[in-house]
Order: sequence, then structure tokens, then C-alpha cells
Amino acid sequence: QKEVEQDPGPLSVPEGAIVSLNCTYSNSAFQYFMWYRQYSRKGPELLMYTYSSGNKEDGRFTAQVDKSSKYISLFIRDSQPSDSATYLCAMSLFNGGYNKLIFGAGTRLAVHP
Amino acid sequence: EPEVTQTPSHQVTQMGQEVILRCVPISNHLYFYWYRQILGQKVEFLVSFYNNEISEKSEIFDDQFSVERPDGSNFTLKIRSTKLEDSAMYFCASRPRSVSSGNTIYFGEGSWLTVV
Repeated sequence: QKEVEQDPGPLSVPEGAIVSLNCTYSNSAFQYFMWYRQYSRKGPELLMYTYSSGNKEDGRFTAQVDKSSKYISLFIRDSQPSDSATYLCAMSLFNGGYNKLIFGAGTRLAVHP
Repeated sequence: EPEVTQTPSHQVTQMGQEVILRCVPISNHLYFYWYRQILGQKVEFLVSFYNNEISEKSEIFDDQFSVERPDGSNFTLKIRSTKLEDSAMYFCASRPRSVSSGNTIYFGEGSWLTVV
């Protein structure tokens, strides 16, 4: 079983739609959960960061973590063509500060006008 | 906004040659990382670096790889004898020390390495 599973998509939605992106994981010791956005041949850009379970909202983005189900989600409201990118979930343990990230495979999202 | 900068953006090298990839992490950050992403695959951890020493490395990070922070600002990844399978995008990343920042790791734009 992979440590972090993420549906690679592609996911195609019309402009204005609500997008739901998800990851599951197997290691119950993960404590930090992040979502990154990656444009083609660019570096991952941090979108959302959540510690432990719960919800976090930032503008059109909402991150949810359900540690009991080992499931995390990113919701994008009022999606825009500029949101078209690959979305990477990432998570880590806390091991004294070094905190390597384990990434999902990424979901490609296309938002069409 | 502060950012992690990497050079070169793209390098083509002959198999067996040494390559050095350079990074300037965000200035007040104390933890440094290298990750790589083979085309079409997931981002993979290579090595973490703190207090002038390697704190953790993956099984990918074998004896062909080394890291260095030679002058307090630059952070380098050296591949001694490149192989075809080293062709990938290499990302430098850094993280502040502050506990309140949690695990917010910031990535550079990457160095695309092509080994021919």
C-alpha cells in the first residue's frame, strides 16, 4: 500500500464550479498536511497547511483533514481558468524539525471557460 | 515576497560528468532540503540539512550525491558521476525554525537536469 494515494485525474470542470481534490494515506502518525499547486515544469507552490484534524479556509480554498479516516481534501470554490494546474497533497511526521514531506502523485485540474 | 532561488534552471550534461546545482534558501530559514521529480512522477525527498549536517536522507541519496552549505547562504547539491536515470527536475526547499510556522516548506522553481 502506498503511503499517500492521490487520483491523478485529469479533472476537467467548467469555470465557476466547485472542485474537490482528495488524498488518502496509510501512516496514522502523519500530523502535518499540505496542499501545493504546481504549474508545468515549475516548483510546488504552497497553498494550504493544516496541522492535525479540522478545516482551514483561505479565500476560495478550504482544506479538510479527517485523521480518523486518513483522508484529506482541498475544495476550490468559484474555480477559475487560472486554477488549472496540478495539485499535490503532501504530509509529514514531526520528527524533531526535519519533517520530510511525502507527496501524492498529484491531480491535474483543467478549468475551462 | 522572499523566495528560494535555484540555478541553473536547465542543464544538459554528459553521462559520467559531475553536476552542481545551486540554491539560495530564504534568508531566515534554517532547514534545507533537496527533492527531485522525474518527468511524470511524484516529487520525492532526497535529503534534509540542518545545522551544517545531513539530518535525513532517502535511499535515492547514495554516495554519488552530496550536499554542502559552503558560505552561509548557498546550498548545493552535487552529483559526482551522473547517470541517465538522474535526469529529473531537482527542487531546493527551505523551512523556517519558528514552531508557529509548523511545517511550511517553500520550494524553488527547480533545476531541470538532462543527462545524455
